[in-house]
Amino acid sequence: SQTIHQWPATLVQPVGSPLSLECTVEGTSNPNLYWYRQAAGRGLQLLFYSVGIGQISSEVPQNLSASRPQDRQFILSSKKLLLSDSGFYLCAWSRGLVRDMYGYTFGSGTRLTVV
Amino acid sequence: GDSVTQMEGPVTLSEEAFLTINCTYTATGYPSLFWYVQYPGEGLQLLLKATKADDKGSNKGFEATYRKETTSFHLEKGSVQVSDSAVYFCALSEQETSGSRLTFGEGTQLTVNP
Repeated sequence: SQTIHQWPATLVQPVGSPLSLECTVEGTSNPNLYWYRQAAGRGLQLLFYSVGIGQISSEVPQNLSASRPQDRQFILSSKKLLLSDSGFYLCAWSRGLVRDMYGYTFGSGTRLTVV
Repeated sequence: GDSVTQMEGPVTLSEEAFLTINCTYTATGYPSLFWYVQYPGEGLQLLLKATKADDKGSNKGFEATYRKETTSFHLEKGSVQVSDSAVYFCALSEQETSGSRLTFGEGTQLTVNP
């Protein structure tokens, strides 16, 4: 069966410090991978998605970046965090089918607080 | 582009009350439709889905029927429990050459009081 791991679960970082959040998927190959942010505790904002190694699409301009160094690994980074980067970050994967009947599977999320 | 419009919350109900959360969509093709649930402090979990018109998805007492004629996928439960308190997201899949993308509604906060 497929599983998705996301860590850390919580993180408190000072303004201006770097960030690295990691997400890995097991039990599948060539998944589509996604990073979302929930700033208001409800709505989902798609930040990045990837359809393959080294292929990253950015949905919104910001001081965050994403990388996919391996097929089942997706990393969210920042060189210098801002207060506005605080939020709940969610990683997700999908089968990448043209007509999807399975939806996304989400990780358990990372609560980031920038102080 | 495709879009999902979801009933605004928050919704507050008493235990054993009937629940309806409205969801309507616009899509150019034939999307699959989903409901996700997010319990406090957790990621999203797939609650139910429907992949073609007139399909009914069901899980944990929740139901939703894919209504192509009204472009709707309303979530219902006959008798809610305190443990159903969560945020509910309606979503549809968009077909793209690189794999479908999910479009989410804004979410509806449900609070069930004992």
